[in-house]
Amino acid sequence: GQSLEQPSEVTAVEGAIVQINCTYQTSGFYGLSWYQQHDGGAPTFLSYNALDGLEETGRFSSFLSRSDSYGYLLLQELQMKDSASYFCAVSTGFQKLVFGTGTRLLVSP
Amino acid sequence: GAVVSQHPSRVICKSGTSVKIECRSLDFQATTMFWYRQFPKQSLMLMATSNEGSKATYEQGVEKDKFLINHASLTLSTLTVTSAHPEDSSFYICSARDREETQYFGPGTRLLVL
Repeated sequence: GQSLEQPSEVTAVEGAIVQINCTYQTSGFYGLSWYQQHDGGAPTFLSYNALDGLEETGRFSSFLSRSDSYGYLLLQELQMKDSASYFCAVSTGFQKLVFGTGTRLLVSP
Repeated sequence: GAVVSQHPSRVICKSGTSVKIECRSLDFQATTMFWYRQFPKQSLMLMATSNEGSKATYEQGVEKDKFLINHASLTLSTLTVTSAHPEDSSFYICSARDREETQYFGPGTRLLVL
């Protein structure tokens, strides 16, 4: 089967840095994406890693290690609006995305 | 960025009726669209891949006769939930893939079957 594991919940305070991990086991791998989803809303694309290393996009960075089947999303200078669910997703081929279990981030003042 | 719309955003129906959900890519052509289902506090599960002008490809465990998908044009795919039952109540989300192979998600349709 295919599985992508994430911590179920992470809490942090405004201004802090938080890391959300994702370990995956899939039948194919073309890249790892990260999505943000607010309650009742649609997933919003954050970042994509096809190769090992760190990708930085503003306050968000994403890392991938294909040899370890592992990646993480790093959120810096946390803001209240960052409270949401975050999903990693693996592109397995034929443009299909397999989503992780999701991590609920709670940012407090 | 690219915009994908879904209609309706919410629908309540009686058990046994059919419901059609539309997914449109508003400013780009999408040869491939995807349909997902998400139960409360759970992840998105891919239901099927919809290709323009051909039959949809369903994921294992998804009944193709219950979830009818039609991709009639490069900007429109529809999902019809036939003979809906309460267990079909869920959040249905579509996505559309652009030429750069980025998937853009629609705002979702919340279905409640009574």
